[in-house]
Amino acid sequence: KNQVEQSPQSLIILEGKNCTLQCNYTVSPFSNLRWYKQDTGRGPVSLTIMTFSENTKSNGRYTATLDADTKQSSLHITASQLSDSASYICVVSADHGGSQGNLIFGKGTKLSVKP
Amino acid sequence: EADIYQTPRYLVIGTGKKITLECSQTMGHDKMYWYQQDPGMELHLIHYSYGVNSTEKGDLSSESTVSRIRTEHFPLTLESARPSHTSQYLCASSDSWSPGELFFGEGSRLTVL
Repeated sequence: KNQVEQSPQSLIILEGKNCTLQCNYTVSPFSNLRWYKQDTGRGPVSLTIMTFSENTKSNGRYTATLDADTKQSSLHITASQLSDSASYICVVSADHGGSQGNLIFGKGTKLSVKP
Repeated sequence: EADIYQTPRYLVIGTGKKITLECSQTMGHDKMYWYQQDPGMELHLIHYSYGVNSTEKGDLSSESTVSRIRTEHFPLTLESARPSHTSQYLCASSDSWSPGELFFGEGSRLTVL
């Protein structure tokens, strides 16, 4: 069964600190993996996309990694800001984009950044 | 910023009422979706469409219905709302040339009393 598991479920850090969120997946055939940021009461917004051949990608203070062998991805946030408080959702695509019915969502990690 | 809009943002109604959640996008995307999300839980696909006059049910069974008469418009209707329908409903669209990236609306939070 295709699954995406994220850890931790929630995380509280102090402003300015770094943190790393984890995503483990059992999805086949793998097409790509995206990290989304969802602010409270808003829709998710894509942060990064990782394909099979990529192992690191950065978007500002966000750096995503992918290990296709172990089927693990991480999202590292550097020098956290209060505006980073949100849920971060890992989404794995099980095909090559033909059917959106094959998008598998994780439950998300709820990050709270405190002053 | 995504050009996809949902109305209403918040709706509180009584049991048995008919409601329609509106979703419109101006990006010309063929694919549109409705997701349901409860607090702290993952998004569940309830309906999707690959184009005009195409609609399919998603992974999560839902008593709602959808229509796709125009490319830019994908409304969701509940004929008779019940408290179990209380949830956040998120509309999204995608471009066939960007596999996997969904552009989401702000969501419609429905409360049925």
